Amino acid sequence: DVKVTQSSRYLVKRTGEKVFLECVQDMDHENMFWYRQDPGLGLRLIYFSYDVKMKEKGDIPEGYSVSREKKERFSLILESASTNQTSMYLCASVGFPGTYEQYFGPGTRLTVT
Amino acid sequence: QKEVEQNSRPLSVPEGAIASLNCTYSDRGSQSFFWYRQYSGKSPELIMSIYSNGDKEDGRFTAQLNKASQYVSLLIRDSQPSDSATYLCAGRDSGGYNKLIFGAGTRLAVHP
Repeated sequence: DVKVTQSSRYLVKRTGEKVFLECVQDMDHENMFWYRQDPGLGLRLIYFSYDVKMKEKGDIPEGYSVSREKKERFSLILESASTNQTSMYLCASVGFPGTYEQYFGPGTRLTVT
Repeated sequence: QKEVEQNSRPLSVPEGAIASLNCTYSDRGSQSFFWYRQYSGKSPELIMSIYSNGDKEDGRFTAQLNKASQYVSLLIRDSQPSDSATYLCAGRDSGGYNKLIFGAGTRLAVHP
């Protein structure tokens, strides 16, 4: 079974704080993704990575950065958290090569006050 | 702009009925499609993948793909209250990197 884990289920941070969200997969997957999901807006791609140290911007990268120093770990960084970054953050990893199936972690519900 | 469109109107069916969920996509180069189920407050869970025209069955679920019409559907037979969730349709972005383009989802309610 594909297993994707995220560091926190719920997180509350203050405006201006630097926030780290971590995602770990245990299947040696190359492709990993960070999304945010908001009511009425669906899933929106923030950043993705196709290999160690390789990253690409998604549709809404502003205010975020990412880090992938090891294959199994993909981190999302909010440089200076703002209230409009309150959201559900979902990490996904592509499963088996050639299937393109993405498997999601449990999500982190981030509240910025 | 590549898009996957789903009916935003919630679908309500009685227990035991067939639920039919549909989506259309604009990316003609897309070859792979997926259905995810998402319970409230939880993350999406992959339930079906389909890569070629026609039907694919897995238990009570049948996915249908028509590439000529750019249409994907999911049928749920013998619907159960536990099937009540939001269903997301996704297609692989032909631009590469194994990205998926997600629809906004259709909420299904199965009432006893």
